[in-house]
Amino acid sequence: KNQVEQSPQSLIILEGKNCTLQCNYTVSPFSNLRWYKQDTGRGPVSLTIMTFSENTKSNGRYTATLDADTKQSSLHITASQLSDSASYICVVPYNTDKLIFGTGTRLQVFP
Amino acid sequence: NAGVTQTPKFQVLKTGQSMTLQCAQDMNHNSMYWYRQDPGMGLRLIYYSASEGTTDKGEVPNGYNVSRLNKREFSLRLESAAPSQTSVYFCASSEIGQGSSYEQYFGPGTRLTVT
Repeated sequence: KNQVEQSPQSLIILEGKNCTLQCNYTVSPFSNLRWYKQDTGRGPVSLTIMTFSENTKSNGRYTATLDADTKQSSLHITASQLSDSASYICVVPYNTDKLIFGTGTRLQVFP
Repeated sequence: NAGVTQTPKFQVLKTGQSMTLQCAQDMNHNSMYWYRQDPGMGLRLIYYSASEGTTDKGEVPNGYNVSRLNKREFSLRLESAAPSQTSVYFCASSEIGQGSSYEQYFGPGTRLTVT
């Protein structure tokens, strides 16, 4: 079954600390993997899109990694800020016209 | 450049009432989508339109209808609302289909409660 699973479900960290969010997928065939950030009460916003040939991709303080062999991805946030408090959603396309969304990791950054 | 806009932002309906959620994008995108987001679940696709004049069912289409009015606008209609349709609805658009590497842009959402 094509699935996208994320861990942890929720995470609390102090401002300035780093954290890593995990995504495991069983979607096949694989074309790309996306990470979205969703602030409370807002729509998701794309952080990065990684194709199967990319191992690492950065967007400011966000760095995504992809291991297509183990079907795992991680999102690393460096020097967290209060504005990083949000849900982070991992998404993998299935077939040519469908996306499978993970349930997200809810990150809370406290001062 | 507003991106993807949705109206209304909030709505409360009684069971059996009907309503239409409006979505518009100003990015000249070909593809548009309607999702619902429920607590503890990932976003689920209701309907999508790969191009102007075409619409297709997604994962959870029952109880909904859509209209791709033109390239900019894609509406979602609930003919007879049910409490199970209480959810947050997101419209999205992309240059071409979901499976491609093209980024998908989401609207701010409509929070619908059916009593």
